[in-house]
Amino acid sequence: QVQLVQSGAEVKKPGSTVKVSCKASGGTFRSYAIKWVRQAPGQGLEWMGDFIPLFGTANYPQKFQGRVTITADESTSTAYMELSSLRSEDTAVYYCARGGGALDNWGQGTLVTVSS
Amino acid sequence: DIQMTQSPSTLSASVGDRVTITCRASQSIGSWLAWYQQKPGKAPKLLIYKASSLESGVPSRFSGSGSGTEFTLTISGLQPDDFAAYYCQQYTNYTYSFGQGTKLEIK
Repeated sequence: QVQLVQSGAEVKKPGSTVKVSCKASGGTFRSYAIKWVRQAPGQGLEWMGDFIPLFGTANYPQKFQGRVTITADESTSTAYMELSSLRSEDTAVYYCARGGGALDNWGQGTLVTVSS
Repeated sequence: DIQMTQSPSTLSASVGDRVTITCRASQSIGSWLAWYQQKPGKAPKLLIYKASSLESGVPSRFSGSGSGTEFTLTISGLQPDDFAAYYCQQYTNYTYSFGQGTKLEIK
């Protein structure tokens, strides 16, 4: 059974950058895309992008292009999501999830709070 | 971008009821639709993929149907554990978007 374990909560200043990690255990890391999804307080789910270790390629929606970078380190089975130029609206729980389409395994979530 | 619209936003029901949640896509997505259940403070859990395929371990009271632009999630015989938020998600052409969610409350 694949398990995704994310890094801990972060508090960041506006304009700064946050990097969240997602370590996979069980299964074959390079076989599946890792997606990042965020959820602002009391709000719905929003796809931020994904990374396919097998191809080493990332895919981002237009809203986040230029501000988010998703990478992965196969040697440690860890994916990373870096979000720059943080603003208060980026306060959210950030999830990593596995799957090419439907997402069958999720990390526990990482709360990122952006506050001056 | 493909927009996903769920209805209703909130649904009140009782244990034992049969409920249906609808999800509409702004353009045809074939059968590339998933449904998730989310409880407060927890990550979403996959219930249904490819519009009507039940994820392993999910009770058979959950079912999905539809294709193209209109989809439904039905829960037959609500259990106390089913009161939660539900989201649909489309996955076509390397884009992924979610509905705004439906909160299922106890009446």
